Amino acid sequence: DIQMTQSPSSLSASVGDRVTMTCRASQDIRKSLAWFQQKPGKAPKSLIYAASTLQSGVPSKFSGSGSGTDFTLTINSLQPEDFATYYCQQYDSYPYTFGQGTKLEVK
Amino acid sequence: QVQLVESGGGVVQPGTSLRLSCVVSGFSVGDYAMHWVRQAPDKGLEWVAVLAYDGRNRFTAESLKGRITFSKDNSKNTLHLQLDSLRPDDTGTYYCARGRVVVGAPPRYYVDYWGQGTQVTVSS
Repeated sequence: DIQMTQSPSSLSASVGDRVTMTCRASQDIRKSLAWFQQKPGKAPKSLIYAASTLQSGVPSKFSGSGSGTDFTLTINSLQPEDFATYYCQQYDSYPYTFGQGTKLEVK
Repeated sequence: QVQLVESGGGVVQPGTSLRLSCVVSGFSVGDYAMHWVRQAPDKGLEWVAVLAYDGRNRFTAESLKGRITFSKDNSKNTLHLQLDSLRPDDTGTYYCARGRVVVGAPPRYYVDYWGQGTQVTVSS
């Protein structure tokens, strides 16, 4: 199975900040990577697919990059509603696997 | 608009079975792949399975192989997941999600929409 490792596990930031988190795959997954946002007690929300393509309706403050094994998610101008846990997922080969998540907290 | 609504969760004893359903609206299950993803309490997301749009190709997480059966009823726009021989570590929230295809061999499916989840608790 492909292992997905996210770093950091938690991240403290302030409203207005720009943050970047990373996701590393244990083998080449091309650009078959998605990012999700999950708030406590809620279903995940899809943000990005194909490493850098925004899902419909997702604001452009979110951006993704990378290919192969190393990927990043950047969020510009943090707002209170952006504090959540973010997960990456590879869908290049079965079984699809998620990273363990990065929890974005208010500093 | 696109909606997915899961149901069928509950508290069950170890060794028993449970059938989850996912009713969708705003699209046809016959036109899309459908995923199941689960989340144990206070844990991360775990991919469970995907069923291709045609209902023929299906892929399952190794930890659940032999214990799950999934299908879809295009006429009712509904997806089903049956879990057998349930264990305490099957406890969690089960989400259905819509998959969009990336053409290839084999095709790959990324998630765009999620349901709100249904809670499964396996306990004696």
